[in-house]
Amino acid sequence: DTAVSQTPKYLVTQMGNDKSIKCEQNLGHDTMYWYKQDSKKFLKIMFSYNNKELIINETVPNRFSPKSPDKAHLNLHINSLELGDSAVYFCASSQISSGNTIYFGEGSWLTVV
Amino acid sequence: AQSVAQPEDQVNVAEGNPLTVKCTYSVSGNPYLFWYVQYPNRGLQFLLKYITGDNLVKGSYGFEAEFNKSQTSFHLKKPSALVSDSALYFCAVRDSGATNKLIFGTGTLLAVQP
Repeated sequence: DTAVSQTPKYLVTQMGNDKSIKCEQNLGHDTMYWYKQDSKKFLKIMFSYNNKELIINETVPNRFSPKSPDKAHLNLHINSLELGDSAVYFCASSQISSGNTIYFGEGSWLTVV
Repeated sequence: AQSVAQPEDQVNVAEGNPLTVKCTYSVSGNPYLFWYVQYPNRGLQFLLKYITGDNLVKGSYGFEAEFNKSQTSFHLKKPSALVSDSALYFCAVRDSGATNKLIFGTGTLLAVQP
């Protein structure tokens, strides 16, 4: 009964590869997010979708492409992986209204070698 | 622009003692403030939030936070620390605008010694 689930939890891949991280929420929320946590534990938003529409697109290389097939799913595809992409990627969801709590998944630890 | 600051990279406290993890904010308009905890190799877990109302907010695991408008602070507190409280704590503020985006502080590592 995990609220926000993301797969895989751990991913080790070589530079230049393309990889995807999948996320699903069963909370009935209308908005989903991708956050990145770097090696210094700093958290920064990357993307957000509200009812399958992109509403936040921070300054992220265009090698990163989010896709939301429906409002319960938000996937992250990364092309031509670089060493600097190594990080923890968190999926999250909430209702869009101000002050609503954002619930996070367990994270996907990506290591590019 | 909205922001939060966590002035301490690490807080050390003995088990059984009270703990405080500090957070100050800078916002235009009314602040929506949050605390999250991250245990090792885990995701972020929501602890509590301040939207409006009572300045003392109670949350999960016995934590509470006090909203202080004059000092622009939202410190996290617990009367008696447990070793199991050792984790990374993040303060966050909702960004201005129509989205529900959170701006996070840099995190404070809480170490509770037995």
